[in-house]
Amino acid sequence: KNQVEQSPQSLIILEGKNCTLQCNYTVSPFSNLRWYKQDTGRGPVSLTIMTFSENTKSNGRYTATLDADTKQSSLHITASQLSDSASYICVVSPSPEYGNKLVFGAGTILRVKS
Amino acid sequence: NAGVTQTPKFQVLKTGQSMTLQCAQDMNHEYMSWYRQDPGMGLRLIHYSVGAGITDQGEVPNGYNVSRSTTEDFPLRLLSAAPSQTSVYFCASTRTSPSYNEQFFGPGTRLTVL
Repeated sequence: KNQVEQSPQSLIILEGKNCTLQCNYTVSPFSNLRWYKQDTGRGPVSLTIMTFSENTKSNGRYTATLDADTKQSSLHITASQLSDSASYICVVSPSPEYGNKLVFGAGTILRVKS
Repeated sequence: NAGVTQTPKFQVLKTGQSMTLQCAQDMNHEYMSWYRQDPGMGLRLIHYSVGAGITDQGEVPNGYNVSRSTTEDFPLRLLSAAPSQTSVYFCASTRTSPSYNEQFFGPGTRLTVL
């Protein structure tokens, strides 16, 4: 069964600190992996998209890594800010065609404290 | 561009009532979809459309109907609301490319069924 598991479920860090969120997947065949940020009361917004041939991609202070062999991805947030408080969702696409078969993780809730 | 818009933002229904959640996009995307988001779970696909006049079922279609008369609009109908349909509903529009598809989500509709 195609699944995406994220850890930890929630995380609290101090402003300015770094953190890393984990994503393990058992989706096959694999096409690409996305990380989304979802602010409270808003829809998810794409941070990064990586195909199987990419092992790292950055978007400002966000850096995603992908190990297609071990089927693991991580999202590293550098120098966290209060505005980083959100849910971060890992999503895997098993097909390069229309994304109706996206497999969503449950998300990691990050809270950044001052 | 307004992107993906959804109305209403909040709605409370009594069991057995019907209603329509509205979704519109101004990006001229062919592909649109509806998801529901429940606590502790990943987003689940309800219905999707690959173009005007074409719709198909997703993972959890029971109790919902959709239609796609125009490229811009993709309404979701609850036929006879049940407490199990209490959830946050997201509409998404997909931009396609040779490498991967990218989804853009609306702000969501929070529905409570009493």
